[in-house]
Amino acid sequence: AQKVTQAQTEISVVEKEDVTLDCVYETRDTTYYLFWYKQPPSGELVFLIRRNSFDEQNEISGRYSWNFQKSTSSFNFTITASQVVDSAVYFCALSEYEAAGNKLTFGGGTRVLVKP
Amino acid sequence: DVKVTQSSRYLVKRTGEKVFLECVQDMDHENMFWYRQDPGLGLRLIYFSYDVKMKEKGDIPEGYSVSREKKERFSLILESASTNQTSMYLCASSSGTGVLNTEAFFGQGTRLTVV
Repeated sequence: AQKVTQAQTEISVVEKEDVTLDCVYETRDTTYYLFWYKQPPSGELVFLIRRNSFDEQNEISGRYSWNFQKSTSSFNFTITASQVVDSAVYFCALSEYEAAGNKLTFGGGTRVLVKP
Repeated sequence: DVKVTQSSRYLVKRTGEKVFLECVQDMDHENMFWYRQDPGLGLRLIYFSYDVKMKEKGDIPEGYSVSREKKERFSLILESASTNQTSMYLCASSSGTGVLNTEAFFGQGTRLTVV
């Protein structure tokens, strides 16, 4: 069965600090997708990134970067030079390739609080 | 823009009531999902549907049922609401499967309180 673990429940930083969110996953499939979502205080989940299991290249998008390491089953997310608007709950999720309906399994989420 | 709309933002219901949560998407997505979100537990899948009239149990289906009579609409039903079903409910939709898998788009959530 697939499982996603986000060991950090809450992280508090001061603005402009970097923050890294850990995500470790378990799956028996060799082909799968990994996702990160952001949930701001308004409640609606916002899609940030999707990565398939064959693509281990790290990705950078503005202040966001992702480090995918298949060898350690981890897909970590770093916010560089954090801002108050980054305060949110962040979820890592996994979808197995063969799963009907590509259902997502989520981690418990990490709450990030960025203080001015 | 993809839009997933949940019928209510907040609901308060009494124990034992039958409760309907409605979700509509406007992007012709095949797949629709109902999750509940509880602090520390993340999002847990209740039911999902990958086609009209098709439904599959998720990880925590007990006490819930679903209906998908039309492609754009997916309803979650609490047959007899209980206080342990007080939670945030999130609907999502996505397209394709396997290599055609897209990301899921979420509604704004319904915060249900059962008293």
